[in-house]
Amino acid sequence: KNEVEQSPQNLTAQEGEFITINCSYSVGISALHWLQQHPGGGIVSLFMLSSGKKKHGRLIATINIQEKHSSLHITASHPRDSAVYICAVRYRNTGNQFYFGTGTSLTVIP
Amino acid sequence: NAGVTQTPKFQVLKTGQSMTLQCAQDMNHNSMYWYRQDPGMGLRLIYYSASEGTTDKGEVPNGYNVSRLNKREFSLRLESAAPSQTSVYFCASSALGGVPLDTQYFGPGTRLTVL
Repeated sequence: KNEVEQSPQNLTAQEGEFITINCSYSVGISALHWLQQHPGGGIVSLFMLSSGKKKHGRLIATINIQEKHSSLHITASHPRDSAVYICAVRYRNTGNQFYFGTGTSLTVIP
Repeated sequence: NAGVTQTPKFQVLKTGQSMTLQCAQDMNHNSMYWYRQDPGMGLRLIYYSASEGTTDKGEVPNGYNVSRLNKREFSLRLESAAPSQTSVYFCASSALGGVPLDTQYFGPGTRLTVL
């Protein structure tokens, strides 16, 4: 079974803190997707990566293919970062399908 | 551009009723997807359409049918709704489909309750 594990499930941080959300998966992948789900339910794509590191503003995503692990970092966190962060992977043996983690619920307190 | 739109936003059905969830995208994307999201579970793929004229089953297709009406529109039909189909349904689209780094864009979701 293809599984995607995220940790922690819930995270509360003070404004300004550095945040790390982790994602691990079980077998080789062709792509990993980080998404953000707003409190209202809308889902937006943050990063798509297959190796190395990507940065956009205060967000950084890294992936270690050998360890089958990815991290999403948020620097200088802000209350507007409060959301559910979802990791999804496309396995090499499943073609077009993504498999999703259950998400990490982040609350940033002013 | 509206991106990916879904109708309706909310729906309540009785067991055994049928309904169709509508999805449309205006980004000229080739591939479209239907997911369901349940509490404590990740998004799960119901059906997808890699390109106009094709549809394939995802992880949880039972109880659903789909139609790729044209390149823009991809509908999801529940023929005889069951309480187990109470969920939030998301439609998504992507430009190329099978390319690994092909980003998916999501609609706002439809919250469906089956009594």
